[in-house]
Amino acid sequence: KNEVEQSPQNLTAQEGEFITINCSYSVGISALHWLQQHPGGGIVSLFMLSSGKKKHGRLIATINIQEKHSSLHITASHPRDSAVYICAVRSYSGAGSYQLTFGKGTKLSVIP
Amino acid sequence: DTGVSQNPRHKITKRGQNVTFRCDPISEHNRLYWYRQTLGQGPEFLTYFQNEAQLEKSRLLSDRFSAERPKGSFSTLEIQRTEQGDSAMYLCASSFGRGFFEQYFGPGTRLTVT
Repeated sequence: KNEVEQSPQNLTAQEGEFITINCSYSVGISALHWLQQHPGGGIVSLFMLSSGKKKHGRLIATINIQEKHSSLHITASHPRDSAVYICAVRSYSGAGSYQLTFGKGTKLSVIP
Repeated sequence: DTGVSQNPRHKITKRGQNVTFRCDPISEHNRLYWYRQTLGQGPEFLTYFQNEAQLEKSRLLSDRFSAERPKGSFSTLEIQRTEQGDSAMYLCASSFGRGFFEQYFGPGTRLTVT
């Protein structure tokens, strides 16, 4: 069974701080997603990556396949970044199919 | 069409009743996924369709749950004889392509079983 562990579970930061959220997983994967979920449930895909690093605006995602670890960084954090950030990994589930396994999420609160 | 839509957004039902949720994916997307999310947890995979074929069903899905995608467009998820443990957010997502591509999520249907 593929376990996905995120840390920290909760994070409070002052506006402007650099933020790092970590994700570790236990089995081989073909891709990893970082997702953002706002109160009310809507989920937005931030990144999908299988190697290296991706950057979009103030967000940076990195993955180390050998260490089975990924990080999501937010530079110059802002109160509108407050949300739950979820790591999800794509792995082979047998019979020619794949599925996503999700972490429990990291709740980020950015204080003005 | 600007995204995945789900109806209803909220459903309150009494234990033992049947409920049905609908998901309308992005029109050109051939894959459709259902997930369940309980409070404080990440989403859990329930089932997915490629076009009208249901290709995988999680062991989490009891016999009381059934999903359909009759014409390869919208999908329905039905829960029969609801139990309090079924209370959760039910999320739908869609993607395009034969391989695994980025999934686009709907806003979810929040089910409360009293």
